[in-house]
Amino acid sequence: EDQVTQSPEALRLQEGESSSLNCSYTVSGLRGLFWYRQDPGKGPEFLFTLYSAGEEKEKERLKATLTKKESFLHITAPKPEDSATYLCAVRPNSGGSNYKLTFGKGTLLTVNP
Amino acid sequence: DSGVTQTPKHLITATGQRVTLRCSPRSGDLSVYWYQQSLDQGLQFLIQYYNGEERAKGNILERFSAQQFPDLHSELNLSSLELGDSALYFCASSVVAANYGYTFGSGTRLTVV
Repeated sequence: EDQVTQSPEALRLQEGESSSLNCSYTVSGLRGLFWYRQDPGKGPEFLFTLYSAGEEKEKERLKATLTKKESFLHITAPKPEDSATYLCAVRPNSGGSNYKLTFGKGTLLTVNP
Repeated sequence: DSGVTQTPKHLITATGQRVTLRCSPRSGDLSVYWYQQSLDQGLQFLIQYYNGEERAKGNILERFSAQQFPDLHSELNLSSLELGDSALYFCASSVVAANYGYTFGSGTRLTVV
């Protein structure tokens, strides 16, 4: 069974204080690893897709990296508007139109001004 | 606006009752997914439909059922409701091989009293 574990559960940073969120996964062949951002009471919003170990993606202050067992979301010089829950998800390499994603429980990030 | 429309946004009902949640996917997306999100469990996959056919089933209770209609909208039916069914229910849609994972709707918050 596919499993995704995110750590820490919650992270509190001061504005400008860089840090990283971790996503460890076990999956029967990785088709893709996804990062989403979720604001309170809203649906998750897509950030990145990573496909193979060594791959990196960047968007503004966020950078996602991937190894064979885990992914990191690095946040550089965060701002209060980066406060949200960050979710990691994996898609197994089962092919076809079965496109189920398995999500971790997320990391609640709070950035204080 | 993500393009995925969910109605209603909020629903309060009593134990033992039945409710129907509705989802209209993004234009062009053939797959619809239903997820349940509670505070302790995170996002849990319930079921996937692809072009009207069930394609994947997750931890969906027998009291719950879903269908996708010819116009591709989907409905999630929850019956014999229990207090523990209170949660956010998200619908998401995708094309078959999207590299952005899903596009989520804004969710339906169900409260069972």
